[in-house]
Amino acid sequence: GAGVSQSPSNKVTEKGKDVELRCDPISGHTALYWYRQSLGQGLEFLIYFQGNSAPDKSGLPSDRFSAERTGGSVSTLTIQRTQQEDSAVYLCASSLGAVANYGYTFGSGTRLTVV
Amino acid sequence: KQEVTQIPAALSVPEGENLVLNCSFTDSAIYNLQWFRQDPGKGLTSLLLIQSSQREQTSGRLNASLDKSSGRSTLYIAASQPGDSATYLCAVSGAGSYQLTFGKGTKLSVIP
Repeated sequence: GAGVSQSPSNKVTEKGKDVELRCDPISGHTALYWYRQSLGQGLEFLIYFQGNSAPDKSGLPSDRFSAERTGGSVSTLTIQRTQQEDSAVYLCASSLGAVANYGYTFGSGTRLTVV
Repeated sequence: KQEVTQIPAALSVPEGENLVLNCSFTDSAIYNLQWFRQDPGKGLTSLLLIQSSQREQTSGRLNASLDKSSGRSTLYIAASQPGDSATYLCAVSGAGSYQLTFGKGTKLSVIP
């Protein structure tokens, strides 16, 4: 597609429920990233996928968070048993290659509110 | 651990003024530096990407400079317009790393 597409754009969920956030990167971009932006905080790296390599999950804040990327394209970020501190904007980005010399293209994000 | 600081946190200027946004980083071993713009409720739009070997990049009314040795970058906006109102984020990529470390941004308001 023309840009990075994320859905839903907004999600309100009850504490303890599971949520799935979707990211559709730019066609041909092999690298995909998830970041989290909390109120008053900078963007926080969560996870990185590059081609068929094992993802770098070092930024995931707890084992309630997981992500997968099917067929080297669409990615899903899953948060289990959501907590109020999970409320944030979750941003997905993609780039042409593994090293950031190509620059990142970000999606519009999913605003998650846990009540 | 890399830390990125942006000063000021907020800035309000009258339309037509030239302005400078500042970004500093603690570890000079960076691969590149990017400036992004974020409108309320939106994702990030990449404005300029400066490789570590470069000193500056220009796009239209925007000019970004990089002084890697001193750990500083500036974003210069000429002849500001109300449409420039947004939050501007600076981010650095460490050498050999794909992760970006972001500052908390400068919220710019251009008053008509």
